[in-house]
Amino acid sequence: KAGVTQTPRYLIKTRGQQVTLSCSPISGHRSVSWYQQTPGQGLQFLFEYFSETQRNKGNFPGRFSGRQFSNSRSEMNVSTLELGDSALYLCASSLVPTSGGSAQYFGPGTRLLVL
Amino acid sequence: QKEVEQNSGPLSVPEGAIASLNCTYSDRGSQSFFWYRQYSGKSPELIMSIYSNGDKEDGRFTAQLNKASQYVSLLIRDSQPSDSATYLCAVNLSSNTGKLIFGQGTTLQVKP
Repeated sequence: KAGVTQTPRYLIKTRGQQVTLSCSPISGHRSVSWYQQTPGQGLQFLFEYFSETQRNKGNFPGRFSGRQFSNSRSEMNVSTLELGDSALYLCASSLVPTSGGSAQYFGPGTRLLVL
Repeated sequence: QKEVEQNSGPLSVPEGAIASLNCTYSDRGSQSFFWYRQYSGKSPELIMSIYSNGDKEDGRFTAQLNKASQYVSLLIRDSQPSDSATYLCAVNLSSNTGKLIFGQGTTLQVKP
């Protein structure tokens, strides 16, 4: 079974631009979560989607948004990029939402550099 | 107090030894616990999940859970240099329903 895929793998943007990242979950998985990972803050939860609905959101500004499609694929968008948004963005999929105890499986991540 | 705490390390063990990685969490009502391994420059990889008190073994890995003490640990037997990585503890806190909270990770170094 194919794993979680994320595109693109690398991105370079400048301050003020916006970016859209894409995630395709493992086949049959209906829940997708997004995380930001930086050396200083570790893995920070962004949001979780299940059945096209956002179930939970982390403590990030409104510039960070996401959505999920009917085929469970998900996208996240960051508008008005800031230097501090430089990070590894990870997508993780699970059979059901994590509140149900389902384990999450991570994709390879998208490394974003904001100049 | 952080919701999920790990010693950042590095934890250094000789090849063939047992590595013991520890994690404490703040919410006594938490039900789901996970250990991930992350190599430098790579994404986290699920090693173990544990839901009940006691031990759960999978090959060289043993996860131990003590809900009364709010403590979960990972033992790696016969440590190999290829086990050198950062190990992340993740807890589904009942007070943050649906959110999986990660510790900062413990860096393990296995010396040949």
